[in-house]
Amino acid sequence: ETGVTQSPTHLIKTRGQQVTLRCSSQSGHNTVSWYQQALGQGPQFIFQYYREEENGRGNFPPRFSGLQFPNYSSELNVNALELDDSALYLCASSTRGRETQYFGPGTRLLVL
Amino acid sequence: QKEVEQDPGPLSVPEGAIVSLNCTYSNSAFQYFMWYRQYSRKGPELLMYTYSSGNKEDGRFTAQVDKSSKYISLFIRDSQPSDSATYLCAIPRGGGSYIPTFGRGTSLIVHP
Repeated sequence: ETGVTQSPTHLIKTRGQQVTLRCSSQSGHNTVSWYQQALGQGPQFIFQYYREEENGRGNFPPRFSGLQFPNYSSELNVNALELDDSALYLCASSTRGRETQYFGPGTRLLVL
Repeated sequence: QKEVEQDPGPLSVPEGAIVSLNCTYSNSAFQYFMWYRQYSRKGPELLMYTYSSGNKEDGRFTAQVDKSSKYISLFIRDSQPSDSATYLCAIPRGGGSYIPTFGRGTSLIVHP
């Protein structure tokens, strides 16, 4: 069984740029959630995708957007990057209706 | 007031000690509580979940809920250096969703 994978592992961008982060869900999982974890804080829910549609969103502005593909992999896109967007971005996959979310190792984004 | 609060620590204990990790929550309607463990440079992993009545034990780990004081605890017996990690308590977002809303996490260091 393959776990959740994310790419890239690290990324450095400058303010105003755009970034795309990628996630491959665990085999058999059809739901993907994205989280932002600032240093010293717990992960904060950004949004969830199920069957290629957004299925819940946290308190994040529209410049955070996502996609889910037919193979259940997913992308997180962030436009007009701000310094406060510097964080660890975590992807988690699950099976709809099951409680357990399985997290990937994250992508660490630094915005200069 | 945040929905779930945790002391960030760090909490440093000798190997073999009993560890008590605690969270408070704000909404007495919560019925389901989760503990995640996050090792350095890794994503969180679900350690235990419990409903609002009584204790739940799993090996060296015990999760406890005190509804009257809105307090949840995780006890670790015979702590090991491999238990060194950040422990995150979480409650569901609600509306039938089990998507976790996390506390900021407590950093635990178990030294040999």
